[in-house]
Amino acid sequence: EDQVTQSPEALRLQEGESSSLNCSYTVSGLRGLFWYRQDPGKGPEFLFTLYSAGEEKEKERLKATLTKKESFLHITAPKPEDSATYLCAVQARGGSYIPTFGRGTSLIVHP
Amino acid sequence: EAGVTQFPSHSVIEKGQTVTLRCDPISGHDNLYWYRRVMGKEIKFLLHFVKESKQDESGMPNNRFLAERTGGTYSTLKVQPAELEDSGVYFCASSQEGGYGYTFGSGTRLTVV
Repeated sequence: EDQVTQSPEALRLQEGESSSLNCSYTVSGLRGLFWYRQDPGKGPEFLFTLYSAGEEKEKERLKATLTKKESFLHITAPKPEDSATYLCAVQARGGSYIPTFGRGTSLIVHP
Repeated sequence: EAGVTQFPSHSVIEKGQTVTLRCDPISGHDNLYWYRRVMGKEIKFLLHFVKESKQDESGMPNNRFLAERTGGTYSTLKVQPAELEDSGVYFCASSQEGGYGYTFGSGTRLTVV
């Protein structure tokens, strides 16, 4: 069974204080790993897809990286508007391609 | 482009009552998914439609849940009769290609009291 574990559960940062969120996964052949951002009262919003170990994707202050066992979402010099829950999901090869989600990391950035 | 629309946004019902949630996907998206997030847990898959056909309903918890997508457009998810453990946020997502490019709706928060 595919498993996704995200850590920490919650993270508080000061504005400008860089940090990383972790997503550890177990999957029988990775097809893709997804990062989403979710704001309160909203649905998850797609950020990145990573397909193979060593791959990196960037968007503004966010950079996602992937190894064979985990993914990191690096946040550089965060701003209060980066506050949200960040979700990781993995998709296995074969089968129905339905992603398995982690519980997310709740990030609060204080001004 | 209009996004995925879900309504109601909130619903509070008593145990034993019936509730119907609706999802309008992005126009032209053949794939429609229902997910649920119970408080403190991860988002869990419920089922997947391709057009009007149920492609995968392995995540449906029991036969109190009935999903339909008549005509391959909007979808409804009916819970009858509702139980306390059905409380949570129900998300709908749609995509053009199966397994990629999900766009989620804002969800329906269901509270069963």
